[in-house]
Amino acid sequence: DTEVTQTPKHLVMGMTNKKSLKCEQHMGHRAMYWYKQKAKKPPELMFVYSYEKLSINESVPSRFSPECPNSSLLNLHLHALQPEDSALYLCASSRLRYNEQFFGPGTRLTVL
Amino acid sequence: AQTVTQSQPEMSVQEAETVTLSCTYDTSESDYYLFWYKQPPSRQMILVIRQEAYKQQNATENRFSVNFQKAAKSFSLKISDSQLGDAAMYFCAYRRALYERNEKLTFGTGTRLTIIP
Repeated sequence: DTEVTQTPKHLVMGMTNKKSLKCEQHMGHRAMYWYKQKAKKPPELMFVYSYEKLSINESVPSRFSPECPNSSLLNLHLHALQPEDSALYLCASSRLRYNEQFFGPGTRLTVL
Repeated sequence: AQTVTQSQPEMSVQEAETVTLSCTYDTSESDYYLFWYKQPPSRQMILVIRQEAYKQQNATENRFSVNFQKAAKSFSLKISDSQLGDAAMYFCAYRRALYERNEKLTFGTGTRLTIIP
């Protein structure tokens, strides 16, 4: 299995909702990442997990809460989001922290 | 801080022809990695090619090759025999080669490549 999967593909939520994005890889990678990408812009790093521990938080608002329950799974919990949080959320993984990253297909999030 | 610049927001090329996408970067480091990622309309970012700064030889992956000019801090991507499936946004990215802690990718603003049938 040589891919990163993300669910759901699309998500529409209200500002009072709580939802979660899921990312999974079975390549034995020990580093996993969340990125946010607005239209026609490059991805912006949000969080990095290395060996299931949060190693980078790029000053992301607390309404985004990451979780890495095991080495294959990465979640992003969403609560009280704003319309400007609407974007494509990309997950990536790499063998170790300094190896090249492989991206999932993304979740298109719309906040109403 | 490291910066990556892609000066061509859009490019187009006739199918089967060759096209070169430009990328320049700014860094004070001597050891680093450079990448080209492709993002087709399906949205998934796909690694196209990678170059280690300590290697003088330009990386090649089938129809994709780079021209790495370390002194000029230039890292262009050449796509030969362009195919319709090459149509995508192409991002150049930089990462420092520090092994004791994670270093994030710095992306350029992207070049949208259109293939003309």
